[in-house]
Amino acid sequence: DIQMTQSPSSVSASVGDRVTITCRASQTIGTWLAWYQQKPGKAPKLLISAASTLQGGVPSRFSGSGSGTDFTLTISSLQPEDFATYYCQQAHSLPFTFGPGTKVDIK
Amino acid sequence: QVQLVESGGGLVKPGGSLRLSCAASGFSFSDSYMSWIRQAPGKGLEWISYISSRNGYTHYADSVKGRFTISRDDAKSSLYLQMTGLRVEDTAVYYCARDQNVYGIDNWGQGTLVAVS
Repeated sequence: DIQMTQSPSSVSASVGDRVTITCRASQTIGTWLAWYQQKPGKAPKLLISAASTLQGGVPSRFSGSGSGTDFTLTISSLQPEDFATYYCQQAHSLPFTFGPGTKVDIK
Repeated sequence: QVQLVESGGGLVKPGGSLRLSCAASGFSFSDSYMSWIRQAPGKGLEWISYISSRNGYTHYADSVKGRFTISRDDAKSSLYLQMTGLRVEDTAVYYCARDQNVYGIDNWGQGTLVAVS
């Protein structure tokens, strides 16, 4: 199975900050990586698929990049509604494993 | 719009069984791959099972293999998860989801809580 890691596990940031989250796969997955946002008590929401394709309705301040084993999610200017936990998931091969998550909270 | 509504969660004793259901609407269920993902209290997401469209190919995480069975009824636009031999560590919110394979999971239900105690 492909193992996913994320760093940092948590980050404290202020509104307007640029935030970058890193995700690493234990083996190459091409660009088959998705990013999700989850707020407390809610189901996750797909933000980005195929490493860099923004889903409809997702603000352009979110962006994704990377290929192979190393990926990043960037929030260019953090907004109050962006405080949440972010997960990466490899979609290259079953089981489609998730990273452990990165919590973005208010500084 | 796409709707996924889970049901069947509840409190069960260790070793017991439970069957989760997920009613789908707003999309072509028979053409869709579906998955179950769970989240233990205060923990991260764990992908646990997948079923393809058409031929019904299934796959399971090692943590549930041999104990859980995923199935689908395309005529009823419904997804199921039969859980047997439940353990305390299976306690979680279970999400039904539409899986777009390489393009990620684009729709999730609201989740149903399974508590094993």
